Amino acid sequence: EIVLTQSPGTLSLSPGERATLSCRASQSVSSNYLAWYQQKPGQAPRLLIYGASSRATGIPDRFSGSGSGTDFTLTISRLEPEDFAVYYCQQYGSSPGTFGQGTKVEIK
Amino acid sequence: QVQLQESGPGLVKPSETLSLTCTVSAYSISSGYYWGWIRQSPGKGLEWIGSIYHSGSTYYNPSLRSRVTISVDTSKNQFSLKLSSVTAADAAVYYCARGREPIVGAYFFDYWGQGTLVTVSS
Repeated sequence: EIVLTQSPGTLSLSPGERATLSCRASQSVSSNYLAWYQQKPGQAPRLLIYGASSRATGIPDRFSGSGSGTDFTLTISRLEPEDFAVYYCQQYGSSPGTFGQGTKVEIK
Repeated sequence: QVQLQESGPGLVKPSETLSLTCTVSAYSISSGYYWGWIRQSPGKGLEWIGSIYHSGSTYYNPSLRSRVTISVDTSKNQFSLKLSSVTAADAAVYYCARGREPIVGAYFFDYWGQGTLVTVSS
């Protein structure tokens, strides 16, 4: 199965700053079938991005995804207070789909 | 807005079977999509357990396949998870979710239940 490694483990930033999160796969992700989720304490993950760069319904355009093959990036252009959370990538290009271990975006 | 809600015992004894049900509202399971179970534990992170289509076709994570059964009841708009022979390693928050499947056996999930904590202890 494909192993996803997210970096950094924790990102300390201030509101208004730009966040860049990385997700690296142990092998190429077929058709760039990669998703990003946001999770806040006590809540379920929320789909942000699928197909590496397509925003899910209702997701603000400050969230963008990019990348291909084995290297993917989630960018939050200007952090809002509600964006401080843990972010997970997930590949679904091969079965079983697998998740990264997460990147925590915390307030500096 | 599609809503999912997990239900079932929060405490299961070692070696017994974990049983959970997910009730879907504002969308008919029979209309399509795959319906899946995902769990989250501090030790293993997020892990896909398996998924089912309304026809009953199932796909399981190979790591759990020997112990997992997922079934669907379209008349109740529910699907269920059974995980046998549980150990402490199966303690986790269990989520049900709606899956979209671009390739066979692999999904991303656009709607999730709130999750239910399952503890394994005698």
